[in-house]
Amino acid sequence: QSVLTQPPSVSGAPGQRVTISCTGSSSNIGAGYDVHWYQQLPGTAPKLLIYGNINRPSGVFDRFSGSKSGTSASLAITGLQAEDEADYYCQSYDSSLNAVVFGGGTKLTVL
Amino acid sequence: EVQLVESGGGLVRPGGSLRLSCAASGFTFSSYSMNWVRQAPGKGLEWVSSISGNTKYMYYSGSVRGRFTISRDNAQNSLYLQLNSLRAEDTAVYYCATHTITGNTRYFDYWGQGALVTVSS
Repeated sequence: QSVLTQPPSVSGAPGQRVTISCTGSSSNIGAGYDVHWYQQLPGTAPKLLIYGNINRPSGVFDRFSGSKSGTSASLAITGLQAEDEADYYCQSYDSSLNAVVFGGGTKLTVL
Repeated sequence: EVQLVESGGGLVRPGGSLRLSCAASGFTFSSYSMNWVRQAPGKGLEWVSSISGNTKYMYYSGSVRGRFTISRDNAQNSLYLQLNSLRAEDTAVYYCATHTITGNTRYFDYWGQGALVTVSS
């Protein structure tokens, strides 16, 4: 059971927009800790996608965007492409656990 | 270009030990805190341990504290994880990763390709 809750799967057709939610609590996202997002393509290491809730590292397309409100955060992907098919993870910090925490991951399927 | 290359994974019996290594290049290794993050087969990511650049501070997740030891050799640009008293639930791909601190938390900006540790009799 992950501290941060993500939907196990989402799907969308090419060109569509999808969002992935990440729900936490008052000891992590709700306490004001930043949320970061990673993309993990099949058989590869995770790659940083969004940091500090809304920021994209150099080289990440602006089709990817992040937001945060209250005890939740979201990753939005617009103009869905086949190569976006991957697992996506949110990450933050939990003050009760004194540890970095990840969401359980969301598998994105491009139909 | 930042490169992180893990090695030392393998098959080990329950209760056994293993030492993972991570060779770093492309950045000033001693200036960066380093981490180990693991992923059990078909499961999500789990932060395991962190060590500061000057080795003064080490942190562990509750699931490995007392069994795993993180260390580094800045002269060799290498990060290590000593895994003792291994259990079946420690079976995972272990990634080394750098982190950057932003405001009140950290994110993992560079990752190695991972080393598979399998604990089984």
